[in-house]
Amino acid sequence: SQQGEEDPQALSIQEGENATMNCSYKTSINNLQWYRQNSGRGLVHLILIRSNEREKHSGRLRVTLDTSKKSSSLLITASRAADTASYFCATDPEKLVFGKGTKLTVNP
Amino acid sequence: DAGVTQSPTHLIKTRGQQVTLRCSPKSGHDTVSWYQQALGQGPQFIFQYYEEEERQRGNFPDRFSGHQFPNYSSELNVNALLLGDSALYLCASSWRQGNSYNSPLHFGNGTRLTVT
Repeated sequence: SQQGEEDPQALSIQEGENATMNCSYKTSINNLQWYRQNSGRGLVHLILIRSNEREKHSGRLRVTLDTSKKSSSLLITASRAADTASYFCATDPEKLVFGKGTKLTVNP
Repeated sequence: DAGVTQSPTHLIKTRGQQVTLRCSPKSGHDTVSWYQQALGQGPQFIFQYYEEEERQRGNFPDRFSGHQFPNYSSELNVNALLLGDSALYLCASSWRQGNSYNSPLHFGNGTRLTVT
């Protein structure tokens, strides 16, 4: 089952701008995780936010979680060309279930 | 400290054949999960192994089977290959922490399987 769904499917911005992508899910969760995938490579874990947390920061990343709306957002501030990748949210307490991802392109 | 390693990196097989993919987890990890990722799609969960047993399984047919060895490494076997099995197969390891599922996954770079 596709638990998390990212939005938008694709996002193109200029270097230095902020990028925001959203994730919606359907059932209750213990935590929500965000991953990045560079083309043809494995996924890299970015950040985990627990169901009792509302906001979490890690470097240029800011994640929010709204369990009442079953949604999360990932904000990347001051984006760089190296941030170009696909971003996935993952949920489900027993087995991480990924959405289709947001493909972010940061233009230099 | 080696991360997750997968072999081979690329593989070309013919319809009807069988394939075995291999994965060595990150040092200290005891749980291995396998994912299938078609082009342009998100990873789809195949199954997860812990203590040499399949603990969770996604919506994949019995043609997909696996194994975990005492050293925590794992194999994914696919029988009677179909064209639709062409995908990137990702292995991810984690530390189970008892019944907690809060451990982030560490992924290998995958095996690109092409079925012709």
